[in-house]
Parts: sequence; structure tokens; C-alpha cells
Amino acid sequence: EVQLLESGGGLVQPGGSLRLSCVASESTFSNYVMHWVRQAPGKGLEWVSVVNAIGAGISYADSVKGRFTISRDNSKNTLYLQMNSLRGEDTATYFCAKEGFSSGRAGGVHIWGEGTLVTVSS
Amino acid sequence: DIQMTQSPSTLSASVGDRVIITCRASQNIDNWLAWYQQKPGKAPKVLIQKASVLEGGVPSRYSGSGSGTEFTLTISSLQPDDFATYYCQHYVRYPITFGRGTRLEIK
Repeated sequence: EVQLLESGGGLVQPGGSLRLSCVASESTFSNYVMHWVRQAPGKGLEWVSVVNAIGAGISYADSVKGRFTISRDNSKNTLYLQMNSLRGEDTATYFCAKEGFSSGRAGGVHIWGEGTLVTVSS
Repeated sequence: DIQMTQSPSTLSASVGDRVIITCRASQNIDNWLAWYQQKPGKAPKVLIQKASVLEGGVPSRYSGSGSGTEFTLTISSLQPDDFATYYCQHYVRYPITFGRGTRLEIK
């Protein structure tokens, strides 16, 4: 079973930028649809973005559209989330996750990383 | 966007109890619904997809039902390992949305 490991979290000032990475343990990564999901401290889950296996089909939550960019490098088994114009409400643990099932138009995830904490504060 | 409403937000129960968590979608999502369990400090774990399909390795005391806009997650006989927070999530189309969660605590 593939394992996912996120990195790149940390403390950033409002208006700043950060890039998260998620490395998969297997080269079959290139076959997977991948998601980012976040969770603010003590709060529920919020879906952030999805990218298909070849990096072409991309969607974002309205809350991050225009500020965040999802991408992937299949040669490095790595998923990215470039986060710009960060706000306090972006403070959360960010999970990368592998899609495990689908309706054909969207999917749910069945393998998650451990998450990386992003704190936006001055 | 489709809103997912879970109830109750908190549920107190005892080992051996049967519990039911409800999830309501603001629009028809057919049976494109998943249930997740999350324990403190851990990533969520998927329990059920397509409203009623148990994921591999999930105990049979868990079951899901419903279609359209009304769904339930039932745990037939609570075990100590079941005390956690549960989320529903639709995946009929993007954006995917989750319910706000149901915290299942020991009475």
C-alpha cells in the first residue's frame, strides 16, 4: 500500500506564500488521482483541491481558488500545493490523500498522509 | 455547493450500545456518500463508500444506508475503539464537501 508523506508546513505571515509537498512511496503514484484536504485546529475537514493522474483535471474549493495551485511531478512521485496570499483562515493541517473511489465526476480518498501544519500569523 | 448536515454533533454512548449518525445532503447525491472516522491527532480513515459499501478491514458492526439526500451510519454494538469523530462526505461532483462531524464520546 502506498504511503504519503507531506512536508513544507510552517509559520508564515498573512499575505505570504508556502509550497507544500507530498511524496509517495511507490512509482504507481503516476496512476493516482490526488487530493489536498485541510483541517483547521479543532475543526472539521475541508476539501481543498484535486488533480488527476496526468495533471490535467484540476478543481479547487472556492475558498482557495485563485490563491492556491495544485500540481504534480510524476517523475518524482510528488504532489504539490502552492499557496499564495495566505490568510489566517488558511491555518490548518494539510493532508494529501489518494483517491480510492469515484462517482465518475468526483472522488473520495482512502489513503492519507500524516499531514503538515500551516500556521498563518503575524 | 452541496451542504452536508450531520446530526447529532455530539453523541454520548456506552460500550455495547447501538448508535446511529445521520447525514443529510442539500441536494440529491444518489448514493455517492462516504463515511470517515477520525481519532485525535490522526488522519481520517474511510469506513464506507457508495453509502453502504464497507471498506476492506472495517468491522461488520459498521453499516451505512440511504440514498438521495438522507443517509445513516450505524454502529451495531459500540466497542472501545469506536469512540472518535465521524464525518460524512459527498462525491457526486466538485467541490466535495464534508459534514461538520459527529463526536462519539463515552457516556
